[in-house]
Amino acid sequence: GIQVEQSPPDLILQEGANSTLRCNFSDSVNNLQWFHQNPWGQLINLFYIPSGTKQNGRLSATTVATERYSLLYISSSQTTDSGVYFCAVEGDSNYQLIWGAGTKLIIKP
Amino acid sequence: DAGVIQSPRHEVTEMGQEVTLRCKPISGHDYLFWYRQTMMRGLELLIYFNNNVPIDDSGMPEDRFSAKMPNASFSTLKIQPSEPRDSAVYFCASSLRSNSPLHFGNGTRLTVT
Repeated sequence: GIQVEQSPPDLILQEGANSTLRCNFSDSVNNLQWFHQNPWGQLINLFYIPSGTKQNGRLSATTVATERYSLLYISSSQTTDSGVYFCAVEGDSNYQLIWGAGTKLIIKP
Repeated sequence: DAGVIQSPRHEVTEMGQEVTLRCKPISGHDYLFWYRQTMMRGLELLIYFNNNVPIDDSGMPEDRFSAKMPNASFSTLKIQPSEPRDSAVYFCASSLRSNSPLHFGNGTRLTVT
């Protein structure tokens, strides 16, 4: 099956810094989504991005499907950005998202 | 829209008891998913429905687990009898159709003692 790898596994930054999170996948995918799980456990959908670039405020994402990776950019980090960021992809089989292990982000004030 | 609504938020029960978790998907969404999250195993898909019909329940751990979706606005996940190893956060999620964004509820934290 498809393998999803996220890097880095952990990231600690000062408030105001920028960061780039990466998601590599091993095969072609039908869709790719980025999620943020905040410290209270809520899972928030950030982007649905099978290809191309999208932006939402300080966050943006780019997926290069032909090279099998996606990047999530966070600019001017705030403490509320802390949490775990997951990448999830759907392959060609039945609708089941394959999840990466996540990147744990800590933003220090 | 109110988003995906799950209840209860927390459930503490004793081993052997029946547990029922509830979910109301976003109105108009055709797909509903039940996930379980633990530190050891991460997010696991238990079962999903399309238009109230169970499509894939291969992730349901064993016969003690069952899920129903009697109508488009309500689903339940039942564990009977519960065991301590069932302790986890159970999430319900819905999407408008396949290949569309997945939206999660706030989860139910289940503790079985």
